Amino acid sequence: DTAVSQTPKYLVTQMGNDKSIKCEQNLGHDTMYWYKQDSKKFLKIMFSYNNKELIINETVPNRFSPKSPDKAHLNLHINSLELGDSAVYFCASSLLDSLPGNTIYFGEGSWLTVV
Amino acid sequence: AQSVTQLGSHVSVSEGALVLLRCNYSSSVPPYLFWYVQYPNQGLQLLLKYTSAATLVKGINGFEAEFKKSETSFHLTKPSAHMSDAAEYFCAVKNQAGTALIFGKGTTLSVSS
Repeated sequence: DTAVSQTPKYLVTQMGNDKSIKCEQNLGHDTMYWYKQDSKKFLKIMFSYNNKELIINETVPNRFSPKSPDKAHLNLHINSLELGDSAVYFCASSLLDSLPGNTIYFGEGSWLTVV
Repeated sequence: AQSVTQLGSHVSVSEGALVLLRCNYSSSVPPYLFWYVQYPNQGLQLLLKYTSAATLVKGINGFEAEFKKSETSFHLTKPSAHMSDAAEYFCAVKNQAGTALIFGKGTTLSVSS
């Protein structure tokens, strides 16, 4: 069973469209994340939710809106897509529990291409 | 603020040779350090992590890393490279709150026969 699963894996869309990427984890974790990997493979945190509450909100355009309906799901909605949004988006999860050494588990990534 | 620097964006070795991927960290608190591997078109997989227990950490696939506080380093090694080790390797440190990972820029490992 896939621990952190995200859909779709590949997405090609036109500029100006709105799209969503869904993420689910079956590890019983209380914290979920979205990371962005750019064309140079640099990984950066975008958002993090702990028990459905936003705890990290890095400087990203407000066209990006995360939504966490429950602890096992964290979706990423992107409005008015731009060419610069093309990247790989990784969902991840962990058990926060005040233990900073806890491992963060990543999904397989969603390759977004804006044309 | 926490940060990691990976020295060398690209490392090439021959099959059977020693693999050494370098990572230096900067941290205002005792660091929690991680190495992840990313195979082409795949997600990130944890290789190993340092959480203030033993300074020599053994991971999967024969990799290990040594935490050296005096050198602020956490270099990744493998005694004998295999073709299947070709991938992107990321060093990361937990942020000060322990709530997220801060990644280095990655090192591409190429293995030739």
